[in-house]
Amino acid sequence: QVKLVQSGSELKKPGSSVKISCKASGYSFGNNAITWVRQAPGQGLQWMGWMNSNTGKSLYAQGFTGRLVFSLDTSTGTAFVQISSLKSDDTAMYYCARVAIAGVPDDEVYVFDPWGQGTLVTVSS
Amino acid sequence: QSVLTQPPSASGTPGQTVSISCSGSNSNIGRNYVYWYQQFPGTAPKLLMYSNNQRPSGVPDRFSGSKSGTSASLAISGLRSEDEADYYCTAWDDSLNGYVFGTGTTVTVL
Repeated sequence: QVKLVQSGSELKKPGSSVKISCKASGYSFGNNAITWVRQAPGQGLQWMGWMNSNTGKSLYAQGFTGRLVFSLDTSTGTAFVQISSLKSDDTAMYYCARVAIAGVPDDEVYVFDPWGQGTLVTVSS
Repeated sequence: QSVLTQPPSASGTPGQTVSISCSGSNSNIGRNYVYWYQQFPGTAPKLLMYSNNQRPSGVPDRFSGSKSGTSASLAISGLRSEDEADYYCTAWDDSLNGYVFGTGTTVTVL
């Protein structure tokens, strides 16, 4: 059974950094990218970017560039996201998800499945 | 910020059909597949539909998706109380070089 388990809630002060982990199990970690999505309280989903677990290459969503760093520990099958210069606007639930392949040959697509349980990051002075 | 527009809410009685629209532009829905995710309160989203109208294994055929031009829609037929959730559309945006999500729609079963 494919499962992603994230680290626990964090309370951070403005200007500080936070590093969230996402431990994968039930599949070969290097075969799939990990994507990150956040959700501010009462708001919708916002894609943050993804990291290829095989090549280590990352793509960051516009608006986050410079404050986000994705990383991996392939020995433990764990993905990380570090967010620096935290602001109150960064208060949100942060989700990781496996980037899986769906569809038929010659028409394969990327889907986010499954998702981690989420990590709540609260930024407050 | 959301680039895809959805109605904030939709509702129906058990057994009815509810449709949720998702409006985008040529750079996202107009050129790329649409995906739908279902999210129950306090839980992580779950994949509901991919490639506009394909259901992952385990998703009931009461859920169907479609796309036309720069808009897409999700229909839930035979509405059941367990369908009460938030629904989000998403698509790749060629201009932003990333995924964009819809504003989300809360489905209520009356």
